[in-house]
Amino acid sequence: AQTVTQSQPEMSVQEAETVTLSCTYDTSESDYYLFWYKQPPSRQMILVIRQEAYKQQNATENRFSVNFQKAAKSFSLKISDSQLGDAAMYFCAYRSSRGGSNYKLTFGKGTLLTVNP
Amino acid sequence: KAGVTQTPRYLIKTRGQQVTLSCSPISGHRSVSWYQQTPGQGLQFLFEYFSETQRNKGNFPGRFSGRQFSNSRSEMNVSTLELGDSALYLCASSLGLAGKYEQYFGPGTRLTVT
Repeated sequence: AQTVTQSQPEMSVQEAETVTLSCTYDTSESDYYLFWYKQPPSRQMILVIRQEAYKQQNATENRFSVNFQKAAKSFSLKISDSQLGDAAMYFCAYRSSRGGSNYKLTFGKGTLLTVNP
Repeated sequence: KAGVTQTPRYLIKTRGQQVTLSCSPISGHRSVSWYQQTPGQGLQFLFEYFSETQRNKGNFPGRFSGRQFSNSRSEMNVSTLELGDSALYLCASSLGLAGKYEQYFGPGTRLTVT
């Protein structure tokens, strides 16, 4: 079974600075998808960024980018120019590209990000 | 396009009762997944429905069940409620089953069991 580990329960960053959230995963598969979700205090889970394992290029979405290291099974999220609205719980998630029971999203425990003004 | 909606947003039930939660997916989305979120266990997968059939199930007891209707709306039911069932229940919809399809989450239903 796949597992996702987020080793940082909490992180803080100053407004306008950069912060990196860590995520490692364990899988025996070669083809899969990785995601970062954001859950603000309002509780609506929002997709931040996704990465296909077969793509070597790291995904970017405006101020959000990932460092995907497939061999190391590492998938970190970098937030540049942090804003107060970035404060939230961030979840790393894994999803297999195969069928059957593997389509579910497997989540890490989350990292609570605080942005200080 | 309207997002995923869940009703009710908050529920308070007593041990032993049963509860039904509803989820309306984004228009055109045929897959609906359910997750339980608790402080201790985090986000755990309950089940996934596609074309009115359960395609995938997590490690939850049989007290947790669900169904999907022809319009893709889904309901989940929890019978004989226990205190440990208190959680935020999240529904997510996607276009299809394959891993490439992104899941879009609803705001959740906060269930409190007393």
